[in-house]
Amino acid sequence: NAGVTQTPKFQVLKTGQSMTLQCAQDMNHNSMYWYRQDPGMGLRLIYYSASEGTTDKGEVPNGYNVSRLNKREFSLRLESAAPSQTSVYFCASAGGQGFSPLHFGNGTRLTVT
Amino acid sequence: SQQGEEDPQALSIQEGENATMNCSYKTSINNLQWYRQNSGRGLVHLILIRSNEREKHSGRLRVTLDTSKKSSSLLITASRAADTASYFCATATGTASKLTFGTGTRLQVTL
Repeated sequence: NAGVTQTPKFQVLKTGQSMTLQCAQDMNHNSMYWYRQDPGMGLRLIYYSASEGTTDKGEVPNGYNVSRLNKREFSLRLESAAPSQTSVYFCASAGGQGFSPLHFGNGTRLTVT
Repeated sequence: SQQGEEDPQALSIQEGENATMNCSYKTSINNLQWYRQNSGRGLVHLILIRSNEREKHSGRLRVTLDTSKKSSSLLITASRAADTASYFCATATGTASKLTFGTGTRLQVTL
């Protein structure tokens, strides 16, 4: 039982390059989330998907796009990477109704030079 | 802006001692959750306390919630070296199914 799987684990980009972070969960969860974690800032929500077919902006959506490909997969795309997007990105999922606990992947460490 | 703020930012104790960390938040909540993060890993859910609950226990963990003061505390009793990690509180507010995290407390438990 893998839980939440994120790929890649590490990535280095040059300013202006694009990339997609992949996330998949095998727990049949309805909700999926993308957070970024920066030193001293805690986790900040980028985008979330409360159910298949819906996506909504979180606290820091600028510079990102998301796709809820199906119930299992939720991807995060950086169209034109900037040094300010250097961070650790976490995908999470939650099942049940309302405010269920989140299950996290192990993160993608992204550096933009 | 962060909904939750943990205090202290860092805590160093010896094995066997108790560790207490606090979380303050700004707006009314549906529930408050605590998570642990080991270095280089994702967060792991520890415990959830609803807004109408005042105290909850899970193994060596005790969580309290004071909605009048908009604060919560996490107590880890008889700490172990394996408890070394960062601990985050997260609040669930409004109608959307999303959590807002605090900045975390780094706990170091030494032998």
